[in-house]
Amino acid sequence: DSGVTQTPKHLITATGQRVTLRCSPRSGDLSVYWYQQSLDQGLQFLIQYYNGEERAKGNILERFSAQQFPDLHSELNLSSLELGDSALYFCASSPRTGAYEAFFGQGTRLTVV
Amino acid sequence: GQQLNQSPQSMFIQEGEDVSMNCTSSSIFNTWLWYKQEPGEGPVLLIALYKAGELTSNGRLTAQFGITRKDSFLNISASIPSDVGIYFCAGQRGRAGGGADGLTFGKGTHLIIQP
Repeated sequence: DSGVTQTPKHLITATGQRVTLRCSPRSGDLSVYWYQQSLDQGLQFLIQYYNGEERAKGNILERFSAQQFPDLHSELNLSSLELGDSALYFCASSPRTGAYEAFFGQGTRLTVV
Repeated sequence: GQQLNQSPQSMFIQEGEDVSMNCTSSSIFNTWLWYKQEPGEGPVLLIALYKAGELTSNGRLTAQFGITRKDSFLNISASIPSDVGIYFCAGQRGRAGGGADGLTFGKGTHLIIQP
């Protein structure tokens, strides 16, 4: 158990819909990272937050957004969903800004039908 | 986005054999990491490398940070059934201790062990 909690574990939704994925980082970790894992693209970094502020952006679509709240939990919002957004979404957390120290949650499997 | 070139894509080996896999990039990375992922789980960090030329071990696992900072290798000695899984290399351009940067991952090496 990495200490990073992601909910829900599975999500099935229709095209065009909007969903919110939630991440609770390990106790004391200030950084949260979001990754997308799909069969064709592999693991792709989406975005990082540190202590409530956005710190780095990767291959995140404009239809996707994230935020980190004062209690340090984070949410990833995916809107106008397309079939190609079906993937595993992972959250990782670390005590500082270094992604090399990050521990991953178990992921949320999103299926868009 | 950029991906690391990881090979081989899959390996079918006998229990007890040694395993080698590697990762290359056209760009320099300042940190190299190796992860293992099992079905239904997130990646788990195995080894982190912070310095060019560094050789680090974690039990039967040994990884090296290439001297050019553009590659890394992972070796597993005397494989056992629980080594089955997907192994990912990952690089980070940011320097240790500072700088925000996500990880760039390879596509993984799927390790299958035949008893």
